[in-house]
Amino acid sequence: TQLLEQSPQFLSIQEGENLTVYCNSSSVFSSLQWYRQEPGEGPVLLVTVVTGGEVKKLKRLTFQFGDARKDSSLHITAAQPGDTGLYLCAGERGGGNAGNMLTFGGGTRLMVKP
Amino acid sequence: ETGVTQSPTHLIKTRGQQVTLRCSSQSGHNTVSWYQQALGQGPQFIFQYYREEENGRGNFPPRFSGLQVPNYSSELNVNALELDDSALYLCASSIISGGATDTQYFGPGTRLTVL
Repeated sequence: TQLLEQSPQFLSIQEGENLTVYCNSSSVFSSLQWYRQEPGEGPVLLVTVVTGGEVKKLKRLTFQFGDARKDSSLHITAAQPGDTGLYLCAGERGGGNAGNMLTFGGGTRLMVKP
Repeated sequence: ETGVTQSPTHLIKTRGQQVTLRCSSQSGHNTVSWYQQALGQGPQFIFQYYREEENGRGNFPPRFSGLQVPNYSSELNVNALELDDSALYLCASSIISGGATDTQYFGPGTRLTVL
């Protein structure tokens, strides 16, 4: 059972379109991270959001952390074929010497067609 | 490049066998976490080692075990392999210091196939 639910699971769009990926949970996280993973590779960190309501922008990617720190969204503007990949959200609870295990969502597989 | 390496890249085993996967962390990192990623799913936390001791464990049976040694290397051992153990195994290294946790850097993973 995933504590973090991502939607949609799959997304196939044309180059230039906008899209939003959602990450929802009933649990509160101290931070939430977004990763992108390509075939044959490990996840690569895109951003970490820590404060409720926080918005971070990374070029065409906009990340938002919900006010209650239970959900997050990733918005991509004018998607490009190079954005194709598996997008994962991961929540962190506790931390420090208590352990910083990440709870991952099931992922959103994005395909951007030229 | 995260500086985290894993070996082997791919591995094929049969049911009942035992397997050891290896991870080399980034220099200076004192924490290693292992994750299992089944096909089409997100990674699931197996366990974490901090300063060579287990520091948290996910919902995995005891036949999943591990260790961390001072030279930044870590191993994941799985006994009595089952078909459902087929997955990509990821290790991630990080620093826990003064109650704060740094970013986890993932290796490329080991693809294990159990026949």
